[in-house]
Amino acid sequence: GAGVSQTPSNKVTEKGKYVELRCDPISGHTALYWYRQSLGQGPEFLIYFQGTGAADDSGLPNDRFFAVRPEGSVSTLKIQRTERGDSAVYLCASSLLPGGSTDTQYFGPGTRLTVL
Amino acid sequence: AQSVTQPDIHITVSEGASLELRCNYSYGATPYLFWYVQSPGQGLQLLLKYLSGDTLVQGIKGFEAEFKRSQSSFNLRKPSVHWSDAAEYFCAVVYGGATNKLIFGTGTLLAVQP
Repeated sequence: GAGVSQTPSNKVTEKGKYVELRCDPISGHTALYWYRQSLGQGPEFLIYFQGTGAADDSGLPNDRFFAVRPEGSVSTLKIQRTERGDSAVYLCASSLLPGGSTDTQYFGPGTRLTVL
Repeated sequence: AQSVTQPDIHITVSEGASLELRCNYSYGATPYLFWYVQSPGQGLQLLLKYLSGDTLVQGIKGFEAEFKRSQSSFNLRKPSVHWSDAAEYFCAVVYGGATNKLIFGTGTLLAVQP
């Protein structure tokens, strides 16, 4: 079956602009995660959705970052007033069972964001 | 603070040689431990995970890992490396709770010489 998909695969924007990154999880997966991977680093947790609600957003770096999952499937990560330090690969993952279950997280290929 | 350490940034091995990638985690409680592999242009793929029970865990692609509580380690091993194993490997931990968020190490880049 289809895995986690993310669009766009690459996004180049200018400092100060607004961007949206999309994640399509595996069908039927209830849990959805966003991570950010900076160059030379491992992925860092941003936010976790269980269904439509953000159950844990403790990893969002500041209020310029926001994410939604209105129907409990597709999620959009939104970044306002982008800064050069936001440049990274943004990874999405989903799992069948809710957080707390240690269920396997399946990752998408990521969106590479470059802020000029 | 909860953290994962992968002390080797880059490792080069010859094809057919054995491999061991090191991983150490912080925190006192028994965590849940994972190894992921990331190939260029590919998403992170789970190799194996330790949740409980037998401390020697078998994974895909011929990999195994051993959880050693006394050393706070979860090292990844493979007896004979293939050229297709060249990739970046990440150790990760979940410390429980309701979120199941993964805390990753900085990764080890594996190069395989013919």
